[in-house]
Amino acid sequence: KQEVTQIPAALSVPEGENLVLNCSFTDSAIYNLQWFRQDPGKGLTSLLLIQSSQREQTSGRLNASLDKSSGRSTLYIAASQPGDSATYLCAVREDSSYKLIFGSGTRLLVRP
Amino acid sequence: NAGVMQNPRHLVRRRGQEARLRCSPMKGHSHVYWYRQLPEEGLKFMVYLQKENIIDESGMPKERFSAEFPKEGPSILRIQQVVRGDSAAYFCASSPGDLEGYTFGSGTRLTVV
Repeated sequence: KQEVTQIPAALSVPEGENLVLNCSFTDSAIYNLQWFRQDPGKGLTSLLLIQSSQREQTSGRLNASLDKSSGRSTLYIAASQPGDSATYLCAVREDSSYKLIFGSGTRLLVRP
Repeated sequence: NAGVMQNPRHLVRRRGQEARLRCSPMKGHSHVYWYRQLPEEGLKFMVYLQKENIIDESGMPKERFSAEFPKEGPSILRIQQVVRGDSAAYFCASSPGDLEGYTFGSGTRLTVV
């Protein structure tokens, strides 16, 4: 059974720092992996989607990497800003499945 | 394109009442998924529907919960005789096909008092 774990559960950093959020999954037979942002009381915004054949995806100050064999993904945020404060969720989709399996998220606070 | 629309945004129900949550998928999307997020947890899959068909309801509690996606109109998630443990955020997502990327709605936050 696929399990997705995110570490750390919470993170507080000063503005301007580069930071890394971690996601691990137990079964490497995944179709893709997606990072989402969730603001308090709001819905989910898709940040980056990495197909199983890809190693990384970049969008602006965000870079997500995928290592299927080790069951790991990282989300790198460069030059963090207070507006980056949110919960970041990692979700995997297994081969031939439509379900997303989510981690519990990392709550990020970027202090001005 | 208005995206995935969920309403209401917030819903308060007393124990024993019924809750009806609505989801209108993005234009052109015929696949709808419901997820539930309990406090301090990630989202958990509940049910996958296509027009007039339930494809997979393996994540739905066996009692009190039902879902539909009629030929016309939004998808409805219905919770009968709500209990405090049903308090959660319920998210709907839609996609054009079952292996296509999802788009999520803003969710309905159900509070049972």
